[in-house]
Amino acid sequence: QVQLQESGPGLVKPSETLSLTCAVSGYSISSGYYWGWIRQPPGKGLEWIGSIYHSGSTYYNPSLKSRVTISVDTSKNQFSLKLSSVTAADTAVYYCARDEYWFDPWGQGTLVTVSS
Amino acid sequence: EIVLTQSPGTLSLSPGERATLSCRASQSVSSSYLAWYQQKPGQAPRLLIYGASSRATGIPDRFSGSGSGTDFTLTISRLEPEDFAVYYCQQYGSSPPPYTFGQGTKLEIK
Repeated sequence: QVQLQESGPGLVKPSETLSLTCAVSGYSISSGYYWGWIRQPPGKGLEWIGSIYHSGSTYYNPSLKSRVTISVDTSKNQFSLKLSSVTAADTAVYYCARDEYWFDPWGQGTLVTVSS
Repeated sequence: EIVLTQSPGTLSLSPGERATLSCRASQSVSSSYLAWYQQKPGQAPRLLIYGASSRATGIPDRFSGSGSGTDFTLTISRLEPEDFAVYYCQQYGSSPPPYTFGQGTKLEIK
């Protein structure tokens, strides 16, 4: 079955760039679907960040668009998130998921803390 | 932006009881694009319902979804101990951002 796994630094300094990768197994990204990133600040709700198609077509949450870049590497069957100029408000668990107007399945999530 | 408001914020019930969770949208949502998730502590959300009423793979039939327009409902017919969790609704639409989530309903053991 399809599985997703996030990876990346758990601690990022303020004003720096958060970088995460989502490795997909059990399905070839090149075969289709959009692939998305969602985040959840500690104790709070879910916020969609953005999604990407295997062709590289992207769409982003307008509230984050100026700071977000999502890219795809079909040769490695993975996609990535970059969020620039981070602040403490970007501290959250970051999830990747397959996007088909709903999100399924999800990765286990990775906590990223923004702190000096 | 379409705002989803879930009620109640917290629902206290006993195993074996019926749970009814509400999700109200600030604008009409296509039924095709309304989903429900379950999230347990320390875990990622799990898709329960998509298209307002279709159960995801492996989801027990005690979970059902209904509704249209601006009012949607998730019903759990007979609560099992493992059903106590936080539940989120989510919509996809043309208004930016295309995806929004409700703030969640916590289902706790009474």
